[in-house]
Amino acid sequence: EPEVTQTPSHQVTQMGQEVILRCVPISNHLYFYWYRQILGQKVEFLVSFYNNEISEKSEIFDDQFSVERPDGSNFTLKIRSTKLEDSAMYFCASRSRAGETQYFGPGTRLLVL
Amino acid sequence: LAKTTQPISMDSYEGQEVNITCSHNNIATNDYITWYQQFPSQGPRFIIQGYKTKVTNEVASLFIPADRKSSTLSLPRVSLSDTAVYYCLVGLGDNTDKLIFGTGTRLQVFP
Repeated sequence: EPEVTQTPSHQVTQMGQEVILRCVPISNHLYFYWYRQILGQKVEFLVSFYNNEISEKSEIFDDQFSVERPDGSNFTLKIRSTKLEDSAMYFCASRSRAGETQYFGPGTRLLVL
Repeated sequence: LAKTTQPISMDSYEGQEVNITCSHNNIATNDYITWYQQFPSQGPRFIIQGYKTKVTNEVASLFIPADRKSSTLSLPRVSLSDTAVYYCLVGLGDNTDKLIFGTGTRLQVFP
């Protein structure tokens, strides 16, 4: 069964450093998403991406965040200057078309020290 | 996106049937009802989706009454591995894009 994959599984970084979280969505999917979940809290939507552009973003997704689909398979989330409060699990998701189920990856646990 | 209300937690024993009910009074005509499962430190996993009446797959059943203001996820004969958080989400009708997760229902299955 096709899966969304994410790398790395864990990342530790110093405050102020840049991090790039990587995702490989399911191959025939066209819609891509990033969510995050702070420990003990809800899963929160960050951004959706379709046709090589952002289709929607949340208030959390400020200027420190960016997304990119650099090639036909990868989908990345960059945090330019990490803050302590960016520590969370970051989940990538994808779906094939409008109205279809979103499939989530296993997540990247980001710890900012 | 319609707001959902579901119990914060539920306990069960292995082999029992578990029914988790979700209220969504403001569901829109073109909204679907979707349930996800999440284990600790893992991504949410799709369980089942429906629009009306009853949907069944190899994992669960979803019961939706005619007014669609609530839905019930039914897990037959739960095992310890069904211990997880279960989320009810409403939306995905057409252009609705993002998923809005609530706090979910934490199901604990005991031996």
